[in-house]
Amino acid sequence: GEDVEQSLFLSVREGDSSVINCTYTDSSSTYLYWYKQEPGAGLQLLTYIFSNMDMKQDQRLTVLLNKKDKHLSLRIADTQTGDSAIYFCAESIRTAGNKLTFGGGTRVLVKP
Amino acid sequence: DGGITQSPKYLFRKEGQNVTLSCEQNLNHDAMYWYRQDPGQGLRLIYYSQIVNDFQKGDIAEGYSVSREKKESFPLTVTSAQKNPTAFYLCASSQALDQPQHFGDGTRLSIL
Repeated sequence: GEDVEQSLFLSVREGDSSVINCTYTDSSSTYLYWYKQEPGAGLQLLTYIFSNMDMKQDQRLTVLLNKKDKHLSLRIADTQTGDSAIYFCAESIRTAGNKLTFGGGTRVLVKP
Repeated sequence: DGGITQSPKYLFRKEGQNVTLSCEQNLNHDAMYWYRQDPGQGLRLIYYSQIVNDFQKGDIAEGYSVSREKKESFPLTVTSAQKNPTAFYLCASSQALDQPQHFGDGTRLSIL
């Protein structure tokens, strides 16, 4: 089945690391994505990881994938006020024509 | 600058009226998508198109129609059959169905 879940809210102090978690249920996923949405805007692709990888690092962003537990996380190092936004994880499912299934989003609030 | 342009940014619909949302991309992408986002929720797929003159229903296609006469354009019509059209509509495109999707800035549709 297809179900992607995220916690609703995360509060973090400026300069600290943020960790946003996501769980998914479909083992035939090909890619897993992280998108950022600022108020009133579209989704910005942050990073993505192929399902046969464990980790991907891109500047301040680190993605960890635990396939056994179907758990995906996004770590943002040195969190800035500009990182305040809603973050969505999504999985692309090969057996469903590579359709994207999105989680409900995690609202991240960065406090100065 | 390459990108995805959605217009208008805000749209109001009267009861019983059809409205069309525009989506244009100059990324030379083959695949295009329409999503609906309701407050506090993730995205749900309305329709997608893998190639010109072809499109497929997504998870919530009832009350919507699309066309794909040109590679760069994928307009969405919200018909009067859609009883709860108030939402934020997002268009996306990708090089192919199994490639990362990039999003426009969205159109917010409201009922008068």
